[in-house]
Amino acid sequence: AQRVTQPEKLLSVFKGAPVELKCNYSYSGSPELFWYVQYSRQRLQLLLRHISRESIKGFTADLNKGETSFHLKKPFAQEEDSAMYYCALGPSGSARQLTFGSGTQLTVLP
Amino acid sequence: DADVTQTPRNRITKTGKRIMLECSQTKGHDRMYWYRQDPGLGLRLIYYSFDVKDINKGEISDGYSVSRQAQAKFSLSLESAIPNQTALYFCATSGGSSNQPQHFGDGTRLSIL
Repeated sequence: AQRVTQPEKLLSVFKGAPVELKCNYSYSGSPELFWYVQYSRQRLQLLLRHISRESIKGFTADLNKGETSFHLKKPFAQEEDSAMYYCALGPSGSARQLTFGSGTQLTVLP
Repeated sequence: DADVTQTPRNRITKTGKRIMLECSQTKGHDRMYWYRQDPGLGLRLIYYSFDVKDINKGEISDGYSVSRQAQAKFSLSLESAIPNQTALYFCATSGGSSNQPQHFGDGTRLSIL
């Protein structure tokens, strides 16, 4: 069975401080990992995915298969980063059935 | 703009009533999904469909049924609503090839009294 764990329900940091949202997964096959974000009053949307190895809005996430983690990081948090963040896991290949974590509500304080 | 549209946006109803939530998309995607979101539990998959003739149960399908009327339409039904089905429901779509992300609707907030 596949499982995604986001240990922090709430996370607060000050503007300009580094931020790390933790995500650990359990999956026996080859995973694909995603981060989705939901800003206030907006729909859930894809932030980034590990296969793209990209930086979106200053966020990066590295898949660590040894530690089964996919933590989301940003060196300098901005107030507009305040949102709910979900880590999601899917099997690689054509199936697109995702398992979501319980989410972390990030608040960036002025 | 190609989009995922959910109706209604909000619904309040009574225990025992039959409810249908509708989802339509103009993205041309083959794959459609229904999730529910509960505080502290994140999103949990109810049902998904990879094409018009394909329906699959997700993690929490009990008490729900779905209908894929066309490529663009995927409806979720609660045959006899109960209070613990009060939640925010999301529809999502994705393309048929691998590595395609899911695109979500705005959600339907359902309250069952």
